[in-house]
Amino acid sequence: DTGVSQDPRHKITKRGQNVTFRCDPISEHNRLYWYRQTLGQGPEFLTYFQNEAQLEKSRLLSNRFSAERPKGSFSTLEIQRTEQGDSAMYLCASSLAPGWANEKLFFGSGTQLSVL
Amino acid sequence: AQSVSQHNHHVILSEAASLELGCNYSYGGTVNLFWYVQYPGQHLQLLLKYFSGDPLVKGIKGFEAEFIKSKFSFNLRKPSVQWSDTAEYFCALNRDDKIIFGKGTRLHILP
Repeated sequence: DTGVSQDPRHKITKRGQNVTFRCDPISEHNRLYWYRQTLGQGPEFLTYFQNEAQLEKSRLLSNRFSAERPKGSFSTLEIQRTEQGDSAMYLCASSLAPGWANEKLFFGSGTQLSVL
Repeated sequence: AQSVSQHNHHVILSEAASLELGCNYSYGGTVNLFWYVQYPGQHLQLLLKYFSGDPLVKGIKGFEAEFIKSKFSFNLRKPSVQWSDTAEYFCALNRDDKIIFGKGTRLHILP
């Protein structure tokens, strides 16, 4: 499978614990996005990278959230001191950019986080 | 501020009915607009996109959308839906180098 892969598919954790998710984008894609989706809502932008550079982080995002893409390939999203409100589907997407004619996001299956 | 508004949260149609899903955006810059679809149990995937030129864009599976700048709209249409079109549809906008999504419309097609 040469698509975007995310690991794990599901994560159940207790409030206050730290969790880390991994995303492996399509290999030639230089852009990588993290989104969060809750029931009945569209994907909410969290942050994105171009190669290893984190270009933007949502202002709505708590400082408990951090993301890295150290070698411009895979990325990790860490949530520290999880809260019940963090329960959501965390989606990763990648694309070839710049060049808006190429702008097409390829999504992974997501990591479903449940905070008890 | 919400950049993309989808007015229909849940739509139920019978097979062969015509479909139009509304999408309005609020953004003063050059707009790039998208419709993404998520079929049950599958990833989000691109249905169609508008960057420039012909405001009527055609996508996969017989879908099309029309960009009407004066109405800030990018409605999705299909003349005759099939049961396999049951899915959730998201309108999206490129804003400041990010893709911003609407809340989605859940479409249910009755066989």
